[in-house]
Amino acid sequence: DVKVTQSSRYLVKRTGEKVFLECVQDMDHENMFWYRQDPGLGLRLIYFSYDVKMKEKGDIPEGYSVSREKKERFSLILESASTNQTSMYLCASIERGLAKNIQYFGAGTRLSVL
Amino acid sequence: DQQVKQNSPSLSVQEGRISILNCDYTNSMFDYFLWYKKYPAEGPTFLISISSIKDKNEDGRFTVFLNKSAKHLSLHIVPSQPGDSAVYFCAAIIYGSSNTGKLIFGQGTTLQVKP
Repeated sequence: DVKVTQSSRYLVKRTGEKVFLECVQDMDHENMFWYRQDPGLGLRLIYFSYDVKMKEKGDIPEGYSVSREKKERFSLILESASTNQTSMYLCASIERGLAKNIQYFGAGTRLSVL
Repeated sequence: DQQVKQNSPSLSVQEGRISILNCDYTNSMFDYFLWYKKYPAEGPTFLISISSIKDKNEDGRFTVFLNKSAKHLSLHIVPSQPGDSAVYFCAAIIYGSSNTGKLIFGQGTTLQVKP
């Protein structure tokens, strides 16, 4: 079974703080993704990475950065947290390849920025 | 611009009856569609998928239908069970220059199955 683990289930941070969300997968997947889920908006892609040290912007990258120093770990960074970044954050991973279509998700981190 | 739309935020059905969840899309370049199911406080889990070259895919109680001319797909759950109560997300895949498949999600439909 694929396991995608997000380090925190709940986080409360203050405006202006630097926030790190960590994600680890144990299936040697090349591709990893960060989404945020908001009511009425579904899941929106923030950033993804297709290899170590490689990253691409998703649909809503503003205010976020990412780091992929090791294949199994993908970090989402909020340089200066703002209240509009209060959300559920979901990490996912998938094997490389055009025939590989199923992304596996972590349980999510619910972040509140006060 | 929402490329994948689920226009019904919620659906309520009686146990044993059919649940039909709908999804519309705008981009004819999508070549693969998936349905994910999400319980509160858990990540989405894959349910069923369909390639754009097919019009139907069945897996147990779950069937997905694709109408390419209408750019519409639907998920049928028969018979519905209380454990099916969850948020259902429709998603489409598009491949970028890195050959990485990016999922584009709909807004989600909350299904409630009443005993």
